[in-house]
Amino acid sequence: QVQLQESGPGLVKPGQTLSLTCSVSGDSVNSGIYSWTWIRQPAEKGLEWIGHISPRGSTEYSPSLQSRVTISLDASRNQFSLRLNSVTAADTAFYYCARLEMAKYHWVDPWGQGTLVIVSS
Amino acid sequence: DIQMTQSPSSLSASLGDSVTITCRASQDISYYLNWYQQKPGKAPKLLITASNTLQSGVPSRFSGSGSGTEFTLTIASLQPEDFATYYCQQGYTTLEFGHGTKVEIK
Repeated sequence: QVQLQESGPGLVKPGQTLSLTCSVSGDSVNSGIYSWTWIRQPAEKGLEWIGHISPRGSTEYSPSLQSRVTISLDASRNQFSLRLNSVTAADTAFYYCARLEMAKYHWVDPWGQGTLVIVSS
Repeated sequence: DIQMTQSPSSLSASLGDSVTITCRASQDISYYLNWYQQKPGKAPKLLITASNTLQSGVPSRFSGSGSGTEFTLTIASLQPEDFATYYCQQGYTTLEFGHGTKVEIK
């Protein structure tokens, strides 16, 4: 059974960098057909794809966030990470890490439980 | 970018009702459409892939259909655990989700 767990600070100051890590169990982040993705959801709002990283480390980011986002892989720890620079209050959201099927239909499953990040001074 | 439009944004229904949610894509996405269910305080759960393939463990009262630009999610005979928000997601290009449909108890 594949499981994902987000970790990182729950409070970030405006202008600083949001950093989150996703720990994966039951699958390997650097092999197979799956990529690894970050998705966020402001409270009471919809889902926004942030970006994803392939097992080989190639990345793709949302055009609206591309200038501020970096997703990286740490195969030795079976983790992947998100960095979002120059955050503002608009970046306050629940952040989910998840596995992304890349063979054909690009579905997302499973998801981590999510972690709330608040941007505030 | 491919825009995904869900309708309605919310609906009220009674136990045992059948409900249908529609998702429209701004361009042809073939069968590259997935559906998720999200309950309050929880992560989304994958229900249906490739427009109509039910995931293992998902009750058969859920069904999906459509291709091209118009898709539907139907829940036959609503059960208490089905009251949630449902999202469509296109997988034709980079991920894009619909804005969600909240199914509430009448």
